[in-house]
Amino acid sequence: AQSVTQLDSHVSVSEGTPVLLRCNYSSSYSPSLFWYVQHPNKGLQLLLKYTSAATLVKGINGFEAEFKKSETSFHLTKPSAHMSDAAEYFCVVSPISGGYNKLIFGAGTRLAVHP
Amino acid sequence: NAGVTQTPKFQVLKTGQSMTLQCAQDMNHNSMYWYRQDPGMGLRLIYYSASEGTTDKGEVPNGYNVSRLNKREFSLRLESAAPSQTSVYFCASSGRQGSGTEAFFGQGTRLTVV
Repeated sequence: AQSVTQLDSHVSVSEGTPVLLRCNYSSSYSPSLFWYVQHPNKGLQLLLKYTSAATLVKGINGFEAEFKKSETSFHLTKPSAHMSDAAEYFCVVSPISGGYNKLIFGAGTRLAVHP
Repeated sequence: NAGVTQTPKFQVLKTGQSMTLQCAQDMNHNSMYWYRQDPGMGLRLIYYSASEGTTDKGEVPNGYNVSRLNKREFSLRLESAAPSQTSVYFCASSGRQGSGTEAFFGQGTRLTVV
């Protein structure tokens, strides 16, 4: 069975310092992986996605993620946090399946950014 | 470009009342989904519609029904609301089937059942 584990429920950083949000996945086959961001009282927005091309994926707002098959990880990073990055982040796996696009969500990581 | 539009944005129901959450997308997507979001649990799939005319159960379908009215619209109905259905509900759509296709989400409906 496919699953996603976000290793930290809360992460707190200072503005201008690096961000690391950790995600491990479990999948029988090479999945597609996504990171979504949800700002307070908003819908979900796609940050980036991995679909078996380059293992280092660049997304919007300076975020990037690296797919590591040997570690079954897809951690999200950003070199320098901004106050506007404060939000909840979801790691999502889309396993190979027939007929429809099934997304399996992690529990989420809430990122706080302090001045 | 509206994308995915959900109505209403907020709703308070009494236990046992019924209501329908509406969702429409203007991206000509084939697949549509209903999720619920609860603290610490991420999003869980309630029902999905892979294409117009088909619907299937997701992870947590009990207490809900859906209708894929046409290609644009996918509604979620609570026949007899229960406090356990207090949640934030998201509708989403995607353009093609298969792994690697991202979904586009509406703004959510915050439902409270008292």
